[in-house]
Amino acid sequence: DAGITQSPRHKVTETGTPVTLRCHQTENHRYMYWYRQDPGHGLRLIHYSYGVKDTDKGEVSDGYSVSRSKTEDFLLTLESATSSQTSVYFCAISESASTEAFFGQGTRLTVV
Amino acid sequence: GEDVEQSLFLSVREGDSSVINCTYTDSSSTYLYWYKQEPGAGLQLLTYIFSNMDMKQDQRLTVLLNKKDKHLSLRIADTQTGDSAIYFCAESDQGGKLIFGQGTELSVKP
Repeated sequence: DAGITQSPRHKVTETGTPVTLRCHQTENHRYMYWYRQDPGHGLRLIHYSYGVKDTDKGEVSDGYSVSRSKTEDFLLTLESATSSQTSVYFCAISESASTEAFFGQGTRLTVV
Repeated sequence: GEDVEQSLFLSVREGDSSVINCTYTDSSSTYLYWYKQEPGAGLQLLTYIFSNMDMKQDQRLTVLLNKKDKHLSLRIADTQTGDSAIYFCAESDQGGKLIFGQGTELSVKP
């Protein structure tokens, strides 16, 4: 497996609370991505990063922010969690824009 | 906008071939991918094909690409119960971002 670690693996939180998910990689890959997986939608891109401090929005970025202060870590923050953000969140990494992406094991987030 | 479509379910008998189909809309996609997801796990890259290729074979897996119809298929020969999983088709845009289909749940019956 590619060296990708997501933490936590499971989290239950209350509506309105802030939540931060962490993706850590040991591959020194430049690109990092956050996707969410929901039934009937496959995976949808939330935000991505193409280098330290370089990030951009994906298809479903509303309600989420990200930060990448060093190559190995990409943080996803829900400033004020809502029930619609209950989902499974996957981090992915790729060496470049034209190489395959490798996925972490996912974080199951439940907002009650 | 970009869109990737897959049928949601496929059921086959052990030993038969499985064919999972996918259609996409972005003709500028450079790569097309097949990922496998087992229950409770992340996505595992199975294979990919460059957009200038028509076919790629890798052991029991055969990928066919029809660029004119924007149709991609994954054939699994001699399907085994361990192949039961959800299979995702994905296309990549110029920035390397992946656009996924909804996933096809493959059920293999003994």
